[in-house]
Amino acid sequence: QLQLQESGPGLVKPSETLSLTCTVSGGSISSSSYYWGWIRQPPGKGLEWIGSIYYSGSTYYNPSLKSRVTISVDTSKNQFSLKLSSVTAADTAVYYCARHPQRNAAFDIWGQGTMVTVSS
Amino acid sequence: AIRMTQSPSSFSASTGDRVTITCRASQGISSYLAWYQQKPGKAPKLLIYAASTLQSGVPSRFSGSGSGTDFTLTISCLQSEDFATYYCQQYYSYPPLTFGGGTKVEIK
Repeated sequence: QLQLQESGPGLVKPSETLSLTCTVSGGSISSSSYYWGWIRQPPGKGLEWIGSIYYSGSTYYNPSLKSRVTISVDTSKNQFSLKLSSVTAADTAVYYCARHPQRNAAFDIWGQGTMVTVSS
Repeated sequence: AIRMTQSPSSFSASTGDRVTITCRASQGISSYLAWYQQKPGKAPKLLIYAASTLQSGVPSRFSGSGSGTDFTLTISCLQSEDFATYYCQQYYSYPPLTFGGGTKVEIK
């Protein structure tokens, strides 16, 4: 059974870079045509898609965050990662990693999420 | 970006009720729409994709309909475990993939 698990610092200082990793277990990140994405949810608010990556390294990002976001994949570790630069308090959120079967598809498997707070 | 608008934003209902949640897209998205359920402190769970296809393991009391710009999620007989927040998501036009603002279903 495929599982996703986010990991990374829970506290990041303003202007620094937020870095998170999603570890995929129970299956290969390189299998089939799956895409792997990041979604965030500020406290008490709705969901915002950040970006997604294919195992080959092909990426696409939310234009509203594109200038600050980098998503990468490490197939040898079965992981993909998120870097968000120049963070502010507005980036405080629960960050989820998730799988979607195609470039344009619903997210069918989600990680449990990790809370990241931006504060000095 | 395509904007997804859900209504209502919240409402109260009783166990056994039939409830309907609406999602409207700012432009046509064919049937490229998904519905998710989210409980407090948990990740969203995919309920329906392609507007009306039930995800494996999801109870049949959940159903989805619509195409183009107007969509509905219906719960035929509300159960205690269905009290949650529901989100729609379009995946027709991207980037970005976009979600609705959510509809919270509370106990009356």
